[in-house]
Amino acid sequence: DVKVTQSSRYLVKRTGEKVFLECVQDMDHENMFWYRQDPGLGLRLIYFSYDVKMKEKGDIPEGYSVSREKKERFSLILESASTNQTSMYLCASSLAVVGGHGYTFGSGTRLTVV
Amino acid sequence: ELKVEQNPLFLSMQEGKNYTIYCNYSTTSDRLYWYRQDPGKSLESLFVLLSNGAVKQEGRLMASLDTKARLSTLHITAAVHDLSATYFCAVDTNAGKSTFGDGTTLTVKP
Repeated sequence: DVKVTQSSRYLVKRTGEKVFLECVQDMDHENMFWYRQDPGLGLRLIYFSYDVKMKEKGDIPEGYSVSREKKERFSLILESASTNQTSMYLCASSLAVVGGHGYTFGSGTRLTVV
Repeated sequence: ELKVEQNPLFLSMQEGKNYTIYCNYSTTSDRLYWYRQDPGKSLESLFVLLSNGAVKQEGRLMASLDTKARLSTLHITAAVHDLSATYFCAVDTNAGKSTFGDGTTLTVKP
């Protein structure tokens, strides 16, 4: 069964810490995405990547960076965590073809910054 | 800029009743997806609709796509409590990148 794996289900970090959220997919998908989800705000795209070493800003990139050194791995980095980055973070991947099959999502990481 | 609008955003219905969730989008696309999210969980794929007139059914849920009207519907037949969840539609705009609606939170009451 195809999978997107996020390394942590729950994380608690302190303000100012550098935080790494890891996402690995085993489907050989070209595209990978990071979203955050907050009550009443839907899914908001942070960053995405169409290929290794490529990255594109989404709608809310401020305070975040990403790394994609290998096709299967897409990391989200909070350079200096703040309380307003407390959220559910969702990683997803998809095929880069016309007539694709939508996203496969990871199980999510609930991050709390204290 | 593509906009995807779902309505209603909140839906409370009784078991056994039928209802439809609507998903409108603003630019041409023939690739639309429906996802389900249970509270505290991630999203899982429900339906993939890849052409005008596409219809998919699974259990009490049926999804359809009208690309000319830029409209997809998710029809619920004889709702049961297990269908309580948030349902998202998403439109594929650029070779694998989707724009999501805000989600419809469905609560099915006895």
